[in-house]
Amino acid sequence: GENVEQHPSTLSVQEGDSAVIKCTYSDSASNYFPWYKQELGKRPQLIIDIRSNVGEKKDQRIAVTLNKTAKHFSLHITETQPEDSAVYFCAASTAGGSYIPTFGRGTSLIVHP
Amino acid sequence: DTEVTQTPKHLVMGMTNKKSLKCEQHMGHRAMYWYKQKAKKPPELMFVYSYEKLSINESVPSRFSPECPNSSLLNLHLHALQPEDSALYLCASSHRTSSRDTQYFGPGTRLTVL
Repeated sequence: GENVEQHPSTLSVQEGDSAVIKCTYSDSASNYFPWYKQELGKRPQLIIDIRSNVGEKKDQRIAVTLNKTAKHFSLHITETQPEDSAVYFCAASTAGGSYIPTFGRGTSLIVHP
Repeated sequence: DTEVTQTPKHLVMGMTNKKSLKCEQHMGHRAMYWYKQKAKKPPELMFVYSYEKLSINESVPSRFSPECPNSSLLNLHLHALQPEDSALYLCASSHRTSSRDTQYFGPGTRLTVL
């Protein structure tokens, strides 16, 4: 089955800095890569996703890049704000096999004011 | 309506109790999911319903019993739970069971088993 590795497990930045979270996946058939943000005590919320026919996608301060050859994808947050503090999960879904997303272990992002 | 709702928000139960969790969505999604999440861990899949039929059971103990009465509702019946079952139970839905369909999560039920 699919295996998703996520790094780092904890990321501490100063407000205004950029943050990068990286994920690798094992199954070359994976074709959908969502990112979820989960604030303490709340639901995981989709913040951005990318499909395998696209290399990069941006939404305001958030961007995701995908390298299919290397089987890795990354979340980039620019000009971080304290409200960006949360746990971020990457995930990968595989066409033709189990369509259930495999989640990474999560990254706890702390943005210091 | 673009949300998945869950009730109750919090539930405390003893090991001999029977309770149910409820999930509802009105987005016309035909796939619904139950996940269990421990603190600071990713969600763990429990069950998947596709077109109101159970399609995946991830070897979940029989003390958890899912039910899908119609395309908008998903229940999780709980009986004789153990303290280690205490967790956040998340419901999710997606358009269909496709690898390219986004899952949308409900707010969860925080379950404590005494």
